[in-house]
Amino acid sequence: AQSVTQLGSHVSVSEGALVLLRCNYSSSVPPYLFWYVQYPNQGLQLLLKYTTGATLVKGINGFEAEFKKSETSFHLTKPSAHMSDAAEYFCAVSDRDTDKLIFGTGTRLQVFP
Amino acid sequence: GAVVSQHPSRVICKSGTSVKIECRSLDFQATTMFWYRQFPKQSLMLMATSNEGSKATYEQGVEKDKFLINHASLTLSTLTVTSAHPEDSSFYICSAINRGRNSPLHFGNGTRLTVT
Repeated sequence: AQSVTQLGSHVSVSEGALVLLRCNYSSSVPPYLFWYVQYPNQGLQLLLKYTTGATLVKGINGFEAEFKKSETSFHLTKPSAHMSDAAEYFCAVSDRDTDKLIFGTGTRLQVFP
Repeated sequence: GAVVSQHPSRVICKSGTSVKIECRSLDFQATTMFWYRQFPKQSLMLMATSNEGSKATYEQGVEKDKFLINHASLTLSTLTVTSAHPEDSSFYICSAINRGRNSPLHFGNGTRLTVT
C-alpha cells in the first residue's frame, strides 16, 4: 500500500526566506509524486509532479522538488518565500496504473513580513 | 481558467434532507472522476472513483447508499449525500481526468456542506 508522510503540520518562515516542506513516501512500485497547494475553501492546484526522468522537478510559482529514491523523499522547496505563498500544501502519491491520489496530512505554510 | 466546475460552492441543509453536488469538466471529456472528502484541517480522503457509464467504485468504509455517485456523461458526475446528518458536514472536492488522452488531473474548487 502507498502512503505519504508530511513532517510538520505547520511551517513558518519570514518573507524572503527559504521554504522547505518535507514529504516522504512509501510505495512498493515506482510512484508518481505530486505537490498541491490549497487556498482556504478552494480546491487543489498542482504545483509540480514527478513521473519519470529528471529527479529535480520545477513547478509553478518558483517551487521545485527533488525525487530522492534512496531517501524515499520528495521535499518541496522555494528559495525565497512570498506572502502569497501562505497556504496549505499537500504531497501526494499515486501508482502508475491508476490516477488515485493518496494525500499526506498537509503542511500549513505561514509567511511573516 | 477553471477546467473543472463544482456546484454549489457552499450549501447548508437540514438534517435528514439530501444534497446533490455537481462536478463538470468544462473543456475536456472526463472518463474518470474522483470524489474526495476533507475534514477541517485534515487531508483529503478518497471516497470513490467514478468511470463514465459504469458504477462507482467506493473506498473501504464509504457507504455507497449514503453517498450516491452518478457519472452519466463524459462531462458530469454528481455526488448525492442522502439523509444528511451533521457528521456529514465537510468539504467535498471532485477531480477529473481523461485517461485516454493522458490528460492531467484537474480539481474542482470544492463544496462546503453544512448540515444543521
